[in-house]
Amino acid sequence: ELKVEQNPLFLSMQEGKNYTIYCNYSTTSDRLYWYRQDPGKSLESLFVLLSNGAVKQEGRLMASLDTKARLSTLHITAAVHDLSATYFCAVDINNNNDMRFGAGTRLTVKP
Amino acid sequence: DSGVTQTPKHLITATGQRVTLRCSPRSGDLSVYWYQQSLDQGLQFLIHYYNGEERAKGNILERFSAQQFPDLHSELNLSSLELGDSALYFCASSVEIGIGYTFGSGTRLTVV
Repeated sequence: ELKVEQNPLFLSMQEGKNYTIYCNYSTTSDRLYWYRQDPGKSLESLFVLLSNGAVKQEGRLMASLDTKARLSTLHITAAVHDLSATYFCAVDINNNNDMRFGAGTRLTVKP
Repeated sequence: DSGVTQTPKHLITATGQRVTLRCSPRSGDLSVYWYQQSLDQGLQFLIHYYNGEERAKGNILERFSAQQFPDLHSELNLSSLELGDSALYFCASSVEIGIGYTFGSGTRLTVV
């Protein structure tokens, strides 16, 4: 059975601190995506990682993909309150755009 | 506005009833995906249509069905509704493999 596991599921951080969210998956895939969801809102695409070793950065967020380890990370640098949201990773199973999502990491950044 | 339009935004209905959720994909996107998001199950893949044809099926109940029409809009039909069907239902569309999805704003279904 395919598993996409995120940890931690809940993360409370102080502003200015760094932290990493992990996404492990159990199937062979070269494509992984990160999304952000604000409460009651839709999902917004953050990063598209399409090959082993891919690294993407946008502002205080950086995502990477290790397909051999079946692991993606989302690193947060110097967190700010605006980053408070739920972050999902999604794995493209069979590399045909059918995605399976992790359970999400609910991030709260406190002043 | 993401370009993916879902209607209605909110729906309240009674157990045993039937509802239809509608999704219009972004212009040019041939694929439509339906997901159910609930507190206890997370984001669950339901079904994928590509240019009118069913491409993949996930954890979709037999009481649920979907279709994609020639103009590419899609409808998700939910029947014999139960309290546990209360959830956010998202539609997403994509144009090609490798660029991810664009999600609609969702339909919040409440079954009472």
